[in-house]
Amino acid sequence: QKEVEQDPGPLSVPEGAIVSLNCTYSNSAFQYFMWYRQYSRKGPELLMYTYSSGNKEDGRFTAQVDKSSKYISLFIRDSQPSDSATYLCAMNLNNAGNMLTFGGGTRLMVKP
Amino acid sequence: EPEVTQTPSHQVTQMGQEVILRCVPISNHLYFYWYRQILGQKVEFLVSFYNNEISEKSEIFDDQFSVERPDGSNFTLKIRSTKLEDSAMYFCASSNGDREPDYGYTFGSGTRLTVV
Repeated sequence: QKEVEQDPGPLSVPEGAIVSLNCTYSNSAFQYFMWYRQYSRKGPELLMYTYSSGNKEDGRFTAQVDKSSKYISLFIRDSQPSDSATYLCAMNLNNAGNMLTFGGGTRLMVKP
Repeated sequence: EPEVTQTPSHQVTQMGQEVILRCVPISNHLYFYWYRQILGQKVEFLVSFYNNEISEKSEIFDDQFSVERPDGSNFTLKIRSTKLEDSAMYFCASSNGDREPDYGYTFGSGTRLTVV
């Protein structure tokens, strides 16, 4: 079983739709969960950062962590064509320099 | 907003040559990292660096690789004798650990290394 799994997509939605992106993971010791957006041939850009279980909201983005199910989600409301990118989940054990383990990314296409 | 800066953006080198990839992390960050991403594949961890020494490294980071923080601002990755399979995007990142728990890692824009 891969440590962090993500559906590669592509996920195609119309502008204005609510998008749900998900990752599952196998290591129950992961404590910190991040979502990154990556445009083609660019570096990952941090969108959301969550510690342990719960929800976090930032503008049109909501991150959810369910540690009991080893499942994390990113919701994008009122999706825009500029949201078209690859979304990467990443997680680690602690916030003291521990390596990030990434999912493979989900490619999202928002059509005008 | 603070940035992690990487140079060069693209490097082409011949197999067997040494390359040095350069990064300027965010100035008040304590932890520094190198990751790589082979085209179409996952972002993979290479090495982390804290307090002037390697704190963690992956199996990829073998004796051909080394890291250095030669001064107060730069962080470098050296590949001593490049192989074709070293062709990838190399990302530098930095973080501030528990001093800023909401900040996460910040990545640079990457250096695309092409080994021919």
